[in-house]
Amino acid sequence: SSELTQDPAVSVALGQTVRITCQGASLTTYYATWYQQKPGQAPVLVFYGRDNRPSGVPDRFSGSRSGDTASLTITGAQAEDEADYYCNSRDTSGHHGVIFGGGTKLTVL
Amino acid sequence: QVQLQESGPGLVKSSGTLSLTCAVSGVSISSGDWWTWVRQSPGKGLEWIGEIFHGESPTYDPSLKSRVSISIDKPKNQFSLILNSVTAADTAIYYCAHLRRGSHCSRATCTYYYYMDVWGTGSTVTVSS
Repeated sequence: SSELTQDPAVSVALGQTVRITCQGASLTTYYATWYQQKPGQAPVLVFYGRDNRPSGVPDRFSGSRSGDTASLTITGAQAEDEADYYCNSRDTSGHHGVIFGGGTKLTVL
Repeated sequence: QVQLQESGPGLVKSSGTLSLTCAVSGVSISSGDWWTWVRQSPGKGLEWIGEIFHGESPTYDPSLKSRVSISIDKPKNQFSLILNSVTAADTAIYYCAHLRRGSHCSRATCTYYYYMDVWGTGSTVTVSS
């Protein structure tokens, strides 16, 4: 089945811009979806499709895609953005179910 | 406003059966979207278990397919997860989620995306020996 690869950890200085990436063959077929998960909480949808941000998610969160790599960009990272971020997509080479990236732990310095 | 709530035993004996239910409110479970289960082992990432669309056969992760079953109870507006022959590796927080599909179309070509817009709070299941 397909895989999605994320960097395990990324850090950013407060107020700076950070890009979290997700790479996989399925992303040439499907847009990625991004979730934020804080300790002890359920994941929360933060970006999906080409340009969709759920109500209540700050506009400093944006998404993009280039080839087989999707990115979640946080422009002007805040302390409350420190969390784990997961991408997901559909599998394109086997079961055609959902696949998740391994997650990226974002630290805001 | 869609809301989901998992329920079920928090402790299951090794080699036994894990059974969880997800109560759906705010929308009919036959609304035309998918219903899915995701789990997260302690300190690990998200793992998709499977999904079901009302009126269709469920789809499962290949690594769990031989042990898992997901079903819908339309009168109760809920869906369920059964996982057989559990081991310590099945100890996790189990989430149910509402899965939707969208598309962006340009010049007669559409690109799809799938997103879980509503999640339950999670149900912690520990497998004991």
